[in-house]
Amino acid sequence: QVQLQESGPGLVKPSETLSLTCAVTGGSVSDINWWSWVRQSPGKGLEWIGEVSRSGSANYDPSLRSRVTISMDISKNLLSLKLTSVTAADTAVYYCARHVAVPTTRGFDFWGPGTLVTASS
Amino acid sequence: VLTQSPGTLSLSPGERATLSCRASQSVKSTYLAWYQQKPGQAPRLLIYGGTSRATGVPDRFSGGGSGTDFTLTISRLEPEDFAVYYCQQQYGVSRPYTFGQGTKLEIK
Repeated sequence: QVQLQESGPGLVKPSETLSLTCAVTGGSVSDINWWSWVRQSPGKGLEWIGEVSRSGSANYDPSLRSRVTISMDISKNLLSLKLTSVTAADTAVYYCARHVAVPTTRGFDFWGPGTLVTASS
Repeated sequence: VLTQSPGTLSLSPGERATLSCRASQSVKSTYLAWYQQKPGQAPRLLIYGGTSRATGVPDRFSGGGSGTDFTLTISRLEPEDFAVYYCQQQYGVSRPYTFGQGTKLEIK
């Protein structure tokens, strides 16, 4: 059974960079073509941040594209998220998620438990 | 944009629930997914590819629809089904994913 676990600082100062990793166990990140990061502000809905493929290509939400980088380290079985110039609006629970393996369909079938990141001085 | 309705749905166990998800433009039905989220938990995939139940999802959950209008139906509500439900879509390969704002299903 695949398991995902996010980790990183729970507190980031405004204007600094948020850096998170997602460790994948029970399978390889190279088993599935695409993986995503999703966030959820307190009491709000889900917001897709971006995705990375096993070939190294990435796509981002237009609202975050100028500040976000998502990457994959196949040798370490890790996904990474970097978000620069954070503000209070970036305070959220951040999730990593695996895309379903069925071609031509969409859905995220495995999720990490999430990690709360607070942007505050 | 994905618009879910109603915002809150109050029903009793044993009743049938129909949740709506409307897209601002036509969506390929296989690019539509539904999730359930309970407080303090990560979302759980219920339906992917528009109509396929994810592993372990009871058959009382079903997805349907086409074009711009999609539905998640729970045929007979169990106590554990009361949660928030989100739809998700992607308009095309390499396009951004979007989520609906959620429907809260509460016990009447």
